[in-house]
Amino acid sequence: DTGVSQNPRHKITKRGQNVTFRCDPISEHNRLYWYRQTLGQGPEFLTYFQNEAQLEKSRLLSDRFSAERPKGSFSTLEIQRTEQGDSAMYLCASSSTGTQYFGPGTRLLVL
Amino acid sequence: QQQVKQSPQSLIVQKGGISIINCAYENTAFDYFPWYQQFPGKGPALLIAIRPDVSEKKEGRFTISFNKSAKQFSLHIMDSQPGDSATYFCAANDYQGGKLIFGQGTELSVKP
Repeated sequence: DTGVSQNPRHKITKRGQNVTFRCDPISEHNRLYWYRQTLGQGPEFLTYFQNEAQLEKSRLLSDRFSAERPKGSFSTLEIQRTEQGDSAMYLCASSSTGTQYFGPGTRLLVL
Repeated sequence: QQQVKQSPQSLIVQKGGISIINCAYENTAFDYFPWYQQFPGKGPALLIAIRPDVSEKKEGRFTISFNKSAKQFSLHIMDSQPGDSATYFCAANDYQGGKLIFGQGTELSVKP
């Protein structure tokens, strides 16, 4: 059990560019969650998957955001046409029983 | 109704003292209440969690107290140490495994 891993750990991009983040959950965890955290705030839910099915999406997840979990294992979160307001820590978590375990996050800075 | 309200926003405690952080919720469908510890630049790490069928849970120096009728729960850190200095988040969800709703966080500083 190596824990939840996320790549890259840091990403700096220019406004208008597309970025993609990857999350590898704890093996055999069937649920995978994405959250966004801005400085001084608690994580805010974005979306979650059970196996490959996307079960819920937050209103925070505009049409510029898309997430996939094609084979029920790793997941990707893509942000198209990034805006400065997208600058945040993007966190991934996984679970099998309800307890969610978080990865180290990807810190995104949009210039 | 989906909010979890956490207080205080920041807390300074002397080494060896007791740190107390409080949370309140509205949604009676919530039945799982974890606490997470987060260090700067790191992801949240699960500290301790409780379900409302018990009023207290203790793990080492960390205790959750739960008041179902008041819809409040709190984290107590006994014998606080400088290494406990971090941001603490309470959270809630239904144990069916949906999204966690987080409090706003408490920045704890333990002075030596």
